[in-house]
Amino acid sequence: TQLLEQSPQFLSIQEGENLTVYCNSSSVFSSLQWYRQEPGEGPVLLVTVVTGGEVKKLKRLTFQFGDARKDSSLHITAAQPGDTGLYLCAARTSGNTPLVFGKGTRLSVIA
Amino acid sequence: ETGVTQSPTHLIKTRGQQVTLRCSSQSGHNTVSWYQQALGQGPQFIFQYYREEENGRGNFPPRFSGLQFPNYSSELNVNALELDDSALYLCASSLDRRETQYFGPGTRLLVL
Repeated sequence: TQLLEQSPQFLSIQEGENLTVYCNSSSVFSSLQWYRQEPGEGPVLLVTVVTGGEVKKLKRLTFQFGDARKDSSLHITAAQPGDTGLYLCAARTSGNTPLVFGKGTRLSVIA
Repeated sequence: ETGVTQSPTHLIKTRGQQVTLRCSSQSGHNTVSWYQQALGQGPQFIFQYYREEENGRGNFPPRFSGLQFPNYSSELNVNALELDDSALYLCASSLDRRETQYFGPGTRLLVL
């Protein structure tokens, strides 16, 4: 059973479009992180959210942590080819537990 | 400041062989975590080392073992390799056990 479910698995869009990807669970998390991973590289941390309802922005990326701290979303405005990659969410159920990853959403932005 | 480095970048082994993967942590980081990322999957936690001691282990058999050295670099050893061990092996270092993890580029292992 996957603790973190990410959707969609694959997404292919045109440059300039907006998109939202989701990370859902039935568990409550103390913190949740979003990473982007490009081919041949390790995941790179984009953001950490810790408070229910928290919204963080990173340029064209907007991250939201659900009120109950069970889910999160990542919204990209005006996607660019440089946004192409595997977007992973990862979470801890408490401060000292291992990081658990979802399977990721593979995004392709076509120029 | 040097980031997390891993060696080798790629490796091909046959079933039953043993392999050692290496990780140099970022300067000042005392914690190293190892993950296995199979094709099409997210990273799965193998174990974590904090100040040379194992500090947590995921659902991996004992043939997966590790070490952390006094300079906080680390090794992952896998014995009796199986085909399903083919994956990208990632290490991540952090300032302390609960701090942000910074990932290396990974070692891609292929078991034939």
